[in-house]
Amino acid sequence: GDSVTQMEGPVTLSEEAFLTINCTYTATGYPSLFWYVQYPGEGLQLLLKATKADDKGSNKGFEATYRKETTSFHLEKGSVQVSDSAVYFCALKVTGGGADGLTFGKGTHLIIQP
Amino acid sequence: DAGVIQSPRHEVTEMGQEVTLRCKPISGHNSLFWYRQTMMRGLELLIYFNNNVPIDDSGMPEDRFSAKMPNASFSTLKIQPSEPRDSAVYFCASSFSTGRGHEQYFGPGTRLTVT
Repeated sequence: GDSVTQMEGPVTLSEEAFLTINCTYTATGYPSLFWYVQYPGEGLQLLLKATKADDKGSNKGFEATYRKETTSFHLEKGSVQVSDSAVYFCALKVTGGGADGLTFGKGTHLIIQP
Repeated sequence: DAGVIQSPRHEVTEMGQEVTLRCKPISGHNSLFWYRQTMMRGLELLIYFNNNVPIDDSGMPEDRFSAKMPNASFSTLKIQPSEPRDSAVYFCASSFSTGRGHEQYFGPGTRLTVT
């Protein structure tokens, strides 16, 4: 079956540090890949996405590149802020065949200290 | 648009009671998803609907769980009877399409506690 593996954390960084959250996947088909973010007490919000190999998704200074050869979609940001503290979820979706829900990783809790 | 609306936001009930969670998707979206989030298992898809028709309910834990979507603007997830292990945050999400790359928009969730 489909699965997503990501570091669970918590990951604690100082403000302005460089961030990498690793995400690898296994999929039965050709998936679309997503990063969602969850702030305390809220639902998930889409951060960025990529739908085919070598695509780069970006938003709010975050980036991730769809690497089919390594089945990875690592999230990066050059300089984190305290407001980036949240839980980040990597997810995939294989379209069609009645399997259109998202498969999520366990989530990575990110804590940014001033 | 108000986004995906879920009610109640918090529910505390005793074991054996019936629980009904409600969801109003974003207007114009034709796909609706129910997810459950627990510390142990993370986020899991329970069921999803396309054009009000259930497409995949393989994630529904057991017969105590049921979901309906009587029209395009309303869905319910019912647990009867509830058990302590059902305690979790339940999210509803909707999307314009199930096509490749289409974003799912999540509601704020219902935190269910069964004592």
